[in-house]
Amino acid sequence: NAGVTQTPKFQVLKTGQSMTLQCAQDMNHEYMSWYRQDPGMGLRLIHYSVGAGITDQGEVPNGYNVSRSTTEDFPLRLLSAAPSQTSVYFCASSYVGTDTQYFGPGTRLTVL
Amino acid sequence: GQQLNQSPQSMFIQEGEDVSMNCTSSSIFNTWLWYKQDPGEGPVLLIALYKAGELTSNGRLTAQFGITRKDSFLNISASIPSDVGIYFCAGLPWGGADGLTFGKGTHLIIQP
Repeated sequence: NAGVTQTPKFQVLKTGQSMTLQCAQDMNHEYMSWYRQDPGMGLRLIHYSVGAGITDQGEVPNGYNVSRSTTEDFPLRLLSAAPSQTSVYFCASSYVGTDTQYFGPGTRLTVL
Repeated sequence: GQQLNQSPQSMFIQEGEDVSMNCTSSSIFNTWLWYKQDPGEGPVLLIALYKAGELTSNGRLTAQFGITRKDSFLNISASIPSDVGIYFCAGLPWGGADGLTFGKGTHLIIQP
């Protein structure tokens, strides 16, 4: 039981490049979400999903796309990276209707 | 969106001292959560609170759900070196469909 896994752990991009941050969970959780963490800002919700085929926007969705084709995976796409997207990204999952979200180890992204 | 004010931003204490931190909100939350984040890791849930006035303990940690539903506090008694980290409060509004709202964190530093 690996819990929530994220890849890569670190990534450096140039402005305008695209990439996908991977997130997977093996706990059969319906709810998955992406947060970004910036110094002094806490964690802010980007997108979330309550099940396969269902996604919705969080507090800071601009510049990011998500999809949920399976229960296990919830990738986050940056279509055209910008320096303002330099951050640490966390994926989390839980059962719908519960508050115990399990977080992955994070992806540290730098956009030059 | 909803905002949580968490204080203090950072604390420098001696080992063995008690610690107190709190979160306040402009809106009502149905659930209050307290997380701890170690360097390079994702947040880990410490305590969950579900009822106004509820007082819950987890070892040396005690947290309370404020009567107004707009605040919560976390106490750590007799701090030890492994308590070092960033502590986040998080609130879940009624229904919880929009995910957690996080405070900006309290950075706890313990001097031996």
